[in-house]
Amino acid sequence: AQSVTQLDSHVSVSEGTPVLLRCNYSSSYSPSLFWYVQHPNKGLQLLLKYTSAATLVKGINGFEAEFKKSETSFHLTKPSAHMSDAAEYFCVALMNRDDKIIFGKGTRLHILP
Amino acid sequence: EPEVTQTPSHQVTQMGQEVILRCVPISNHLYFYWYRQILGQKVEFLVSFYNNEISEKSEIFDDQFSVERPDGSNFTLKIRSTKLEDSAMYFCASRRQGIQPQHFGDGTRLSIL
Repeated sequence: AQSVTQLDSHVSVSEGTPVLLRCNYSSSYSPSLFWYVQHPNKGLQLLLKYTSAATLVKGINGFEAEFKKSETSFHLTKPSAHMSDAAEYFCVALMNRDDKIIFGKGTRLHILP
Repeated sequence: EPEVTQTPSHQVTQMGQEVILRCVPISNHLYFYWYRQILGQKVEFLVSFYNNEISEKSEIFDDQFSVERPDGSNFTLKIRSTKLEDSAMYFCASRRQGIQPQHFGDGTRLSIL
């Protein structure tokens, strides 16, 4: 079955420390993968996308993600957290063969001063 | 940069009344979606629309819900007889053909009294 799993519902890091938000997918073939961010009372904003080109993808606001087929993972990272990064983050897969879109349940990132 | 726009930003409606949520997708996009997010919960898929017909719908999207693309620019979600549990944020999204990310609107907050 196709699925996207975000392993942590909440992550807390101190300002200035690295961020790691985990995402794993399950699919019989490699999907396209996206990370979105949602700030309070806002829509979802695209952070970055993986579409079978480079496996290390750079996005906006200093975020990047690495596609690892052997681990079926697409974890989101940032070297140094900023207070403005506090938000909900969603990992989303586009199953290219049937155009099905699957959302992860989201990870709420808290930044501690 | 073109955006998905949603109106109104906030809709308050009496239980049992009909409500129409409006979305203007990005003009060259071909796939259209509605999602909802109950306060504090995950984003839930409602329906996808392509080539003037529903391509997929979730269990949430029952007979009370309908979608329409009446004039080639708007994409509407109608709830026929609203219930208290329909109170949520409703997001519209669109994307181009192929391996392309969805673009989301800022959402309509629907409050049922």
